[in-house]
Amino acid sequence: AQTVTQSQPEMSVQEAETVTLSCTYDTSESDYYLFWYKQPPSRQMILVIRQEAYKQQNATENRFSVNFQKAAKSFSLKISDSQLGDAAMYFCAYRSPQTGANNLFFGTGTRLTVIP
Amino acid sequence: DTAVSQTPKYLVTQMGNDKSIKCEQNLGHDTMYWYKQDSKKFLKIMFSYNNKELIINETVPNRFSPKSPDKAHLNLHINSLELGDSAVYFCASSLRSKPTEAFFGQGTRLTVV
Repeated sequence: AQTVTQSQPEMSVQEAETVTLSCTYDTSESDYYLFWYKQPPSRQMILVIRQEAYKQQNATENRFSVNFQKAAKSFSLKISDSQLGDAAMYFCAYRSPQTGANNLFFGTGTRLTVIP
Repeated sequence: DTAVSQTPKYLVTQMGNDKSIKCEQNLGHDTMYWYKQDSKKFLKIMFSYNNKELIINETVPNRFSPKSPDKAHLNLHINSLELGDSAVYFCASSLRSKPTEAFFGQGTRLTVV
């Protein structure tokens, strides 16, 4: 099974600054999908950003962007101009392209604190 | 309109009881899932159904039985609840032809006392 590793259990960032959350994964597949989910205290899982492995261009969504390094199997999330509302658990996730294996494999999460 | 809705949001019950968690999606998705989030926040797949057919059944005790009456519903029934079953259970759905999307319900916090 694929494994997803988030090596930073906790991170903090000053409001308006930039922070990068790390994620690495292990797979033998050449095509796959990667995601970052945010889980605020409300518990809701919110999709932040996604990346298809066959696309070389890094995905961006407003203040959120990724640095996808396929050869290194790395998928980091950069949050620019951090806001208090960004405080949450962030989960990196992997999905296989195989039919019948549509589930997500999650990392252990990074708790992000935003300091006013 | 809520896309993926779970009921109840909170469930407190005694050991040995049987309980069910319901999940419904109104997105027209053909695949639904149950994930378990333990006390350390780790999320792991339990079951996956595609068009009412069981696709994934991870190593989960037989006390857990999913039921999918139709494509829009996937319920989770748990027999003989144990203390270790306490967790947050998430329902999710997706479309097999669109692997870049998956939507989650708000989670059900189950506490077994």
